[in-house]
Amino acid sequence: AQSVTQLGSHVSVSEGALVLLRCNYSSSVPPYLFWYVQYPNQGLQLLLKYTTGATLVKGINGFEAEFKKSETSFHLTKPSAHMSDAAEYFCAVSDQTGNQFYFGTGTSLTVIP
Amino acid sequence: EAGVAQSPRYKIIEKRQSVAFWCNPISGHATLYWYQQILGQGPKLLIQFQNNGVVDDSQLPKDRFSAERLKGVDSTLKIQPAKLEDSAVYLCASSLHYRSSGNTIYFGEGSWLTVV
Repeated sequence: AQSVTQLGSHVSVSEGALVLLRCNYSSSVPPYLFWYVQYPNQGLQLLLKYTTGATLVKGINGFEAEFKKSETSFHLTKPSAHMSDAAEYFCAVSDQTGNQFYFGTGTSLTVIP
Repeated sequence: EAGVAQSPRYKIIEKRQSVAFWCNPISGHATLYWYQQILGQGPKLLIQFQNNGVVDDSQLPKDRFSAERLKGVDSTLKIQPAKLEDSAVYLCASSLHYRSSGNTIYFGEGSWLTVV
């Protein structure tokens, strides 16, 4: 069985500062990992995903995440926050069938001007 | 390419009333999902279809919730009778394949339900 833990339900950063959103997973088999973003009153949009290969994954809007097997982590980062990054971010894990998705509880990102 | 379409976007009903949500997945996507997202929580899978067959409905409260996917395309999620705790966003999603590695799920904008 898989599960996802997102540390910090609320994160605030200043505009231009580093964004770091934490995600740890538990899985009995190598997982596939995803980050989704949800803007107010909208559905979830895929930011990036890791399946196999390079452990540093680049996504849309300047975000990237690194799969660290030894730490069972898949933290999301962005070097410089923009006001438009304010949203809810969800980490998700699936098994290798790619079908069962388990979402974390989400992290709300606030960007301070 | 058109995304996942959902309607209505917003609905307010009284408890014990019924409500239905409609979803049209991305063209050609075989797998369709209904998620429930309560405020402050992550999405929870209610039901998953592969074409017009149910592959997982283990977390669907079957005494009040029902869903169907006739002809393997559009889907309808119904709640009858609604309870206050059903207030949530109901997200429809679709993916191209069933049991395909690295499968990406694409979400609609959601249907926001308030039960008063």
